[in-house]
Amino acid sequence: EAGVTQSPTHLIKTRGQQATLRCSPISGHTSVYWYQQALGLGLQFLLWYDEGEERNRGNFPPRFSGRQFPNYSSELNVNALELEDSALYLCASSLDTRGTGELFFGEGSRLTVL
Amino acid sequence: DQQVKQNSPSLSVQEGRISILNCDYTNSMFDYFLWYKKYPAEGPTFLISISSIKDKNEDGRFTVFLNKSAKHLSLHIVPSQPGDSAVYFCAASRSGGADGLTFGKGTHLIIQP
Repeated sequence: EAGVTQSPTHLIKTRGQQATLRCSPISGHTSVYWYQQALGLGLQFLLWYDEGEERNRGNFPPRFSGRQFPNYSSELNVNALELEDSALYLCASSLDTRGTGELFFGEGSRLTVL
Repeated sequence: DQQVKQNSPSLSVQEGRISILNCDYTNSMFDYFLWYKKYPAEGPTFLISISSIKDKNEDGRFTVFLNKSAKHLSLHIVPSQPGDSAVYFCAASRSGGADGLTFGKGTHLIIQP
């Protein structure tokens, strides 16, 4: 069974540009989470999607946005990139739609902003 | 305001000995706790969890202890093996919450041969 897949693996952008990251959850999982892991920090909760709807977002500015498609895959968009957006972006999926269960993570997308 | 804290950024343990990783939390609403393990260039993988109704959960070499009154949990690995070298994240959640999991900053465990 395929795990959570993310693309691209690496992405290099310059300040002010937009970045789009993609995630395919484990088959059967309807919940998708996005986390940011910046250098020296733990995993910071970004967004939670379930059944195509945004259920919750973390303490990030509105230029971080995303969506979930009918096939439950998800996209994270970061607009007006800033240097501090350089981080590993991790997507996770879950069967638990209450937001409390075990998460299965992808390998992440490393975004570098120059 | 960090709700889940792992105060040791790194820990070095000899192979065969016990590794003890610690985690403290501040939010008394948390009722489910998990440990994740992360190798470089890979996503975190689930290791073991514990519900707040228990004080211990064991899975092979891994045991998690929960002390609710102290808001403290620990992960014991015995015996420690070279493949255990990784970053370990403590995470917590609350029933009915919509915050996903709240993670600590991680502890880098290094198993010395």
